Amino acid sequence: AQKITQTQPGMFVQEKEAVTLDCTYDTSDPSYGLFWYKQPSSGEMIFLIYQGSYDQQNATEGRYSLNFQKARKSANLVISASQLGDSAMYFCAMRVNDMRFGAGTRLTVKP
Amino acid sequence: EADIYQTPRYLVIGTGKKITLECSQTMGHDKMYWYQQDPGMELHLIHYSYGVNSTEKGDLSSESTVSRIRTEHFPLTLESARPSHTSQYLCASSGSVRNQPQHFGDGTRLSIL
Repeated sequence: AQKITQTQPGMFVQEKEAVTLDCTYDTSDPSYGLFWYKQPSSGEMIFLIYQGSYDQQNATEGRYSLNFQKARKSANLVISASQLGDSAMYFCAMRVNDMRFGAGTRLTVKP
Repeated sequence: EADIYQTPRYLVIGTGKKITLECSQTMGHDKMYWYQQDPGMELHLIHYSYGVNSTEKGDLSSESTVSRIRTEHFPLTLESARPSHTSQYLCASSGSVRNQPQHFGDGTRLSIL
């Protein structure tokens, strides 16, 4: 069975600092994809970054990077140089056949 | 850029009304999904479809129904709305390859009075 766990219901970060949002997963399938989404208060789900289970290097997209530790089954999202607009819910997801989402972490960026 | 559209964006309606939430995508995706989400909470999969004439119930039991007569269209219907149906409904679609994300519509915020 697939399982995604986000243990941080809420996180705070000072503007311009970096923040790490935790995500662990569990699957017995060797082939899977890991995704992060951002959901601002307006409600839409915005795809941020993808990591494949066979990818050797950590994925990066602008200020977002994914710290992929396969042996520990973790796929943490790192946001560098936080901005006020980064305040949102963040969801980790894993896809084997279909997508499974974590419970989400609410990030608040303080000025 | 993903092309998946949901209408209406907001709906406030009385108890007992029949409601249809529309979802359309122009990407030719076979897989489509409906999620129910309360504000600030996790997403619950309520329906999914792997193609035309294929629909399945998701993890969360829902009184809604869906249909998939055309690849691009996946409407969700509530025959008799109740206050407990008040929530946000998100539609998504994806291709069949594992490295493809789900693309989401902007959601419908439904309030039943």
